[in-house]
Amino acid sequence: NAGVTQTPKFQVLKTGQSMTLQCAQDMNHEYMSWYRQDPGMGLRLIHYSVGAGITDQGEVPNGYNVSRSTTEDFPLRLLSAAPSQTSVYFCASRPGTSGRIYSYNEQFFGPGTRLTVL
Amino acid sequence: AQRVTQPEKLLSVFKGAPVELKCNYSYSGSPELFWYVQYSRQRLQLLLRHISRESIKGFTADLNKGETSFHLKKPFAQEEDSAMYYCALRVTGGGNKLTFGTGTQLKVEL
Repeated sequence: NAGVTQTPKFQVLKTGQSMTLQCAQDMNHEYMSWYRQDPGMGLRLIHYSVGAGITDQGEVPNGYNVSRSTTEDFPLRLLSAAPSQTSVYFCASRPGTSGRIYSYNEQFFGPGTRLTVL
Repeated sequence: AQRVTQPEKLLSVFKGAPVELKCNYSYSGSPELFWYVQYSRQRLQLLLRHISRESIKGFTADLNKGETSFHLKKPFAQEEDSAMYYCALRVTGGGNKLTFGTGTQLKVEL
């Protein structure tokens, strides 16, 4: 299994540009999430999904859109990039209630995407 | 709303010294607490969770509901323990939502 994969690893955008950060997992996990990591702020939840076709907002959703058309993929779209969105973005997944109890709560993280908005 | 506090941004200890990374939380319900670790240039990974009362890589953490704390401890620090450590809280019925603290950078010096 590749686990959770993210592309690209690095990206530089100009203010106002749009782009999509890709996230995929091959573990058949129901739950997927997007976080951003900023110095002194820890990880903050942007959006999450509890299954295909179901998404919801996290702590800092403004400026981002998500969709979950398949179990495997959970792309994050930046509609109009702003310098405040310069960050490292992590995608994560975990099994739902059908998983084994000890794996139920563990989140698996992707390697991250480092985004700079000029 | 739930909150996780890690008061130390940086903790520097000598190899062989005891380590304690502090974590306090606020949540009115029944919490599930975790410690995640991020080694240099690697992805975050689960270190341990309170529910399984495990010891991983010599680290332990006890949930103290009275003090609302979940401090991470290790009796003898090793150089390979140098990393960023995040405490996280999962709320009951919260779907996939984990609330993270701001993290503590542990540096183990020789």
